[in-house]
Amino acid sequence: GAGVSQSPSNKVTEKGKDVELRCDPISGHTALYWYRQSLGQGLEFLIYFQGNSAPDKSGLPSDRFSAERTGGSVSTLTIQRTQQEDSAVYLCASSLGEDTAQYFGPGTRLTVL
Amino acid sequence: GESVGLHLPTLSVQEGDNSIINCAYSNSASDYFIWYKQESGKGPQFIIDIRSNMDKRQGQRVTVLLNKTVKHLSLQIAATQPGDSAVYFCAERGYGGSQGNLIFGKGTKLSVKP
Repeated sequence: GAGVSQSPSNKVTEKGKDVELRCDPISGHTALYWYRQSLGQGLEFLIYFQGNSAPDKSGLPSDRFSAERTGGSVSTLTIQRTQQEDSAVYLCASSLGEDTAQYFGPGTRLTVL
Repeated sequence: GESVGLHLPTLSVQEGDNSIINCAYSNSASDYFIWYKQESGKGPQFIIDIRSNMDKRQGQRVTVLLNKTVKHLSLQIAATQPGDSAVYFCAERGYGGSQGNLIFGKGTKLSVKP
């Protein structure tokens, strides 16, 4: 079956611009997660959604970052007024529940010039 | 703060040999662990998971061992193949107020020599 998909695969933007990254989770998965991976580093948790509960935003690095999940499916991660330090690969994952295996998408590589 | 870490950043093995990748975790309350494989330019790929009520779990060519006494996790790959070359991450389920996310180590790069 279809896995997690993300778009765009690559995004180059100028400092100060806003960007939106999209994630389509695996159908039927109630939990959705966003992580960030800087070059040669491990994954850093950003935010996660579980069903209709309020999202856990504890990993968001600043108020320039926000995310929403519409209809319990597709999610959008928005970064406002991008900075060069925001350059990274943004990875989305989904799982059946919050204590089951998370399956990752291919990621969006964001480059802020 | 508490985190998951790896003992070795790089591991080089001969094709056909067995590989062992190690991981230490610091939170004794952690109850769920996962190993991921990440190839260059791709997202992490789920390999195997284990819950804290188990000591060992086997998959296809892979075995995960959990030693709760010393808070140690290992991934064993049997008959390592060139296609196993990748970065391997262990991760533990978040704790405290954030129990859904995973906490990742920095990864071990596995290189398989033909």
